[in-house]
Parts: sequence; C-alpha cells; structure tokens
Amino acid sequence: EAQVTQNPRYLITVTGKKLTVTCSQNMNHEYMSWYRQDPGLGLRQIYYSMNVEVTDKGDVPEGYKVSRKEKRNFPLILESPSPNQTSLYFCASTTVGTGKNSPLHFGNGTRLTVT
Amino acid sequence: GNSVTQMEGPVTLSEEAFLTINCTYTATGYPSLFWYVQYPGEGLQLLLKATKADDKGSNKGFEATYRKETTSFHLEKGSVQVSDSAVYFCALSGGYQKVTFGTGTKLQVIP
Repeated sequence: EAQVTQNPRYLITVTGKKLTVTCSQNMNHEYMSWYRQDPGLGLRQIYYSMNVEVTDKGDVPEGYKVSRKEKRNFPLILESPSPNQTSLYFCASTTVGTGKNSPLHFGNGTRLTVT
Repeated sequence: GNSVTQMEGPVTLSEEAFLTINCTYTATGYPSLFWYVQYPGEGLQLLLKATKADDKGSNKGFEATYRKETTSFHLEKGSVQVSDSAVYFCALSGGYQKVTFGTGTKLQVIP
C-alpha cells in the first residue's frame, strides 16, 4: 500500500530535550516536506526537500532541522524544543514529474507537546 | 506572494443539506487548485483538484470549479452525510511543489 508513515503519533517531551520525528514514504517520491498545523493558521511549511541531499527552508524553519540522506526518509529534528513548538506535525510527499499538478500525500500526523 | 482565503468555520448542517465552502485565492501565473479533507485523527487526503481555468474537479459527490475571473474555487455538495464531517482545506500550487493552504473549514453534519 502506498503510504507516508510518521512516527511517533504522539510525543510529550520537556523543553530542551532533543527529539526526532521520522517520516518514510514508499512511493519513490522525489519531493518531501514537513508542515505544522495550528488552530486558525492552517498548515505552514517548515522545510522541504526536492531530492536526496537537497533541502530548503519553508515559511517557519526556526528551531527545526532536517536531513535527506535517502530518498524514502525525511526526519524532522528539534535540537532544543520549546513550548511554542507544541503543534500537530505532518510529513508529505509527491512526485515532481507533473509539476504543480501533483497532489501531496500526507502521513497521519505527530502530535507534539513540549512542556 | 500566493495566498488562499476560505470561509471561517465551523459549519454545521443537517444531513442531506446543500454544502458550499467558499475559497478565493491570490496567485501569480496559473496555479493548480486543490481541496483536501482531514478526517479526525488522520492526515490530509486529496479530495479533488483542477489544473486550469474552467476545469471542474469532482469526487465523492463533491465538486469545485476553477474560476479564474473571480479567483475562486468553491467546494459544493448537493446532499451531505454525517460521514462528511471533517476539516476541509483549500490549497494552491504554483509550481516546484510550493503549496499554499487556507486555514481550513470544519464541517459538522448532524443527523
């Protein structure tokens, strides 16, 4: 089954404790991206990657890191989480072949709480 | 830059009522337009899309027409069901997979 898999689904942590949220897709998609969803703000892009070893900042990259060492994986790293990073996070992927016509495929989300 | 504006929710309807969720956009060039749906506890999934002016996207009884003259992409369904209760997001893609989302509209359908 074609899917984007995120782990964990729920995560509670304390300020300053490094964490990683994993994302993996099995559709051989070149493009992967991370979003955060907050009430009243919709989805905002954190980072994206057009292919292996190619990453770029989205609209709200501060406090986050990513890496793309393999095509299927795109982990999100919070090196020193703060309470304002409490949010619902989504990983998404798509092919670049059809350009702007390609819909995004989303994971089921990771709800992060930083105390 | 690009932007998407959709109507505030929540929208509460009785089963079998007619649904309209308004969406307007601002973009340079010729974006593609999408509606995504998010069911409780799940990620977003594509509901329908339209890639050029006057295209109509449709799926599961939902429809939306790409209106370039009014920069709109309103979502409609003739008869909603309880199972349609979800959050609906309008989005546009201007290329290079740069997708801009609206803030989402929560729909609640009551029996």
